[in-house]
Formats: sequence, C-alpha cells, structure tokens
Amino acid sequence: QVQLQQSGPGLVKPSQTLSLTCAISGDSVSSNSVVWYWIRQSPSSGLEWLGRTYYRSKWYTDYALSVRSRITINTDTSKNQFSLQLNSVTPEDTAVYYCARAAGGTLFDFWGQGALVTVSS
Amino acid sequence: EIVMTQSPATLSVSPGERAALSCRASQSVGSNLAWYQQKPGQAPRLLFLGASTRAAGIPARFSGSGSATEFTLTISSLQSEDFAVYYCQQYNNWPYTFGQGTKLQIK
Repeated sequence: QVQLQQSGPGLVKPSQTLSLTCAISGDSVSSNSVVWYWIRQSPSSGLEWLGRTYYRSKWYTDYALSVRSRITINTDTSKNQFSLQLNSVTPEDTAVYYCARAAGGTLFDFWGQGALVTVSS
Repeated sequence: EIVMTQSPATLSVSPGERAALSCRASQSVGSNLAWYQQKPGQAPRLLFLGASTRAAGIPARFSGSGSATEFTLTISSLQSEDFAVYYCQQYNNWPYTFGQGTKLQIK
C-alpha cells in the first residue's frame, strides 16, 4: 500500500519560503509509471495543482503558471521523497497543501494527509 | 485550460434517497473524467475513472455516467457516510483541472 507522509511547518511569515516534504512508502519516487504532485486547496481557489515531477529516463518538472516564478520541486531518491518550496509567500498562499501520486500520470490515487500552511506575521 | 463546472454547489438530500450531481466541461474531455469524494479533514478519495468505472472498494450504489462535456455522479440510496464534498476532474487535456465541488448534505 502506498503511503505519503507530509512534513513541514504550519506557519510561514509573509515574504518567506514555504517548504514541505513528502516521504513515499510502498512506491518509488523514480517510478516510470506515476507522477508526483503538489496540490493545494483553499476556499477561494478550490483544488489547485502547483507542480509535478516524474522520472522517464530523466527527471521532468512542470509548474502551474500561477506560481511558476516562485516554486521549486525537488526529489531525493536516497530518501525516496520529494519536496515543495514556494518563495515570497503572501497570505493568499494560505491553504491546505497535499502531495499526491497520479497513476499513469492522470488520476490521483494516493494522497498525503494534508498540511494546513498559514501565511501570517 | 478546460473549466469544469459542478452543480449544484450544495445539495440537500435525505438518507435513503437518491442524489444526482452534475459536472460540465467547457470542451469535450471524452471519457477522461474522474470523481473524488472528500470528507472533512481528509484528502480527496478517488471514486471513478473513465467517467463510469468505479475505483477499488467503491460501493455499487455509486454510479457514474456521461461523456464529452456532460457527466453525472449518482448515489442510489444515500448512506450517512456519503455526505461529503464531491469533485470532478478532467484528465483529457493538460493541465488537468478540478471542478469547484458539490457539497452533499443531510436534509
């Protein structure tokens, strides 16, 4: 059974960097049949994908236009995890953040437990 | 980007009754439509793929139908555990997009 365990601070000050990690068990971050996502959820924006990473002989990442200038997704194969960094946060980045696995790259079949991140001074 | 529109935003139904939730796409997505259920404090859970194929462990009282731009999730006899928020998601065109959700609440 695939499990995704998220970790990271729940409170970030404006203009600082939001950092979250998603540790994977039951699958490999380097699997060539899935895609790993960061998704956030807020009352104003609903479910919004932020970025994704996947391995197909080499690593690929895609980022949503809305955060492209501020986001980085990294992978750590030695720890079997991937991470999210979102720079220069504002209160509008306050949301529940999820990591998720997309089977075949399209369907979100496993999710992390979610992390409420509040941007406030 | 394909816009997914769900209706109604909130649906009030009594336990044991039938509920029908609608999802409309701004352009055809074929049958590349998924449904998710989300309960408070939990992540979304995959219910359907391919518009009408139940994911593993989903009870038969749930059914999905539709194609192209019009889709429906039907719950034939509502149980207490079915009251939740339901989302549709298209995966025909990148970026894959979600609807805004329908909250199914007890009447």
